[in-house]
Amino acid sequence: NAGVTQTPKFRILKIGQSMTLQCTQDMNHNYMYWYRQDPGMGLKLIYYSVGAGITDKGEVPNGYNVSRSTTEDFPLRLELAAPSQTSVYFCASSPTGGRGNQPQHFGDGTRLSIL
Amino acid sequence: GDSVTQMEGPVTLSEEAFLTINCTYTATGYPSLFWYVQYPGEGLQLLLKATKADDKGSNKGFEATYRKETTSFHLEKGSVQVSDSAVYFCALSSATGNQFYFGTGTSLTVIP
Repeated sequence: NAGVTQTPKFRILKIGQSMTLQCTQDMNHNYMYWYRQDPGMGLKLIYYSVGAGITDKGEVPNGYNVSRSTTEDFPLRLELAAPSQTSVYFCASSPTGGRGNQPQHFGDGTRLSIL
Repeated sequence: GDSVTQMEGPVTLSEEAFLTINCTYTATGYPSLFWYVQYPGEGLQLLLKATKADDKGSNKGFEATYRKETTSFHLEKGSVQVSDSAVYFCALSSATGNQFYFGTGTSLTVIP
């Protein structure tokens, strides 16, 4: 019963490097989300997807890209890492999205430091 | 637009004390409301939810009632334990869109 799985759990990047944060879910949820959580702060939405092939920007999309080629996977790409992107990244999924009454299911997060 | 305003923390309580964390919301239509809990180093876990006015969500001794007249969803527990130490997030699902909106989180520390 895996739920939402994020990899890696921890990563240190150098400024200017790129990487992909992986997220996969096994609950057949159509809706998937990427958030960042800065220390002592709440969640900020980066991107979300309402189904395979469909993505949309959230509150803080600059510096990130996403794709959704399958229902299960929703990777987040950082092209040119900057210190401001040091954060904890959470992936979440939902069966019904905002209009429904079902909650989101969260992964355990990826802790990313950019030095 | 939709938003959630949550009581600022941090909150420190002694074991067996009564807990209230305030949450108010602004939304178009009839959102569903949620409380999530985040333990150190972990992701958010659903604690309880309410999907319509006057509904009471409850779990692990925590309760919250969906009050449409005051646009509130305050979290309460009658007797907190050390193991309740965590960050608590109030959230709503947009009734008109695809997103969820979160409060800034309230850190709770319970001391023996």
